[in-house]
Amino acid sequence: DSGVTQTPKHLITATGQRVTLRCSPRSGDLSVYWYQQSLDQGLQFLIQYYNGEERAKGNILERFSAQQFPDLHSELNLSSLELGDSALYFCASSASGRSIQETQYFGPGTRLLVL
Amino acid sequence: TQLLEQSPQFLSIQEGENLTVYCNSSSVFSSLQWYRQEPGEGPVLLVTVVTGGEVKKLKRLTFQFGDARKDSSLHITAAQPGDTGLYLCAGAHAGKSTFGDGTTLTVKP
Repeated sequence: DSGVTQTPKHLITATGQRVTLRCSPRSGDLSVYWYQQSLDQGLQFLIQYYNGEERAKGNILERFSAQQFPDLHSELNLSSLELGDSALYFCASSASGRSIQETQYFGPGTRLLVL
Repeated sequence: TQLLEQSPQFLSIQEGENLTVYCNSSSVFSSLQWYRQEPGEGPVLLVTVVTGGEVKKLKRLTFQFGDARKDSSLHITAAQPGDTGLYLCAGAHAGKSTFGDGTTLTVKP
């Protein structure tokens, strides 16, 4: 158990819909990362937050957005869902996020299926 | 875009055998990490290598970072069924990590 929790574990929805994925980082960690893992594109970095502020952006689509709240939990919002958005979405946390070499602890993921 | 190629994509061996998996790129990375991911779980960090030519050992696992910091290898000695999983390498550059597609290792008892 990494200490990072993600909800829901599974999510099935239809194209065009909007969903919200939730992540609680390890106790004391200030930085949260979101990743997408699909069969054809592997593990892709989406976005990083540190103490409520966006720190780094990866391959995140404009239809996707994220935020980190004062209590440090984070949400990833996916809108206008397409079939190709079906994937595993992971959240990871690290102590400060100041160095990319810092250990990131991954949650168990949310499996999203868009029908 | 910095690409990391991992090989082989799939590897199935018998318990007790040795193996090496590779992570290659044309880009230079400031550091490289290896992760192991089991089905239904998130990746777990195994090691971070920073210096060109660096070798790190973790029990039966030996990690090496290339001299030019463009490639890395993971060698497992006397593989065990518990080593089964997806091995991912991730290269760091400009504050971001790029992941390879992974090597799926199956160790049969």
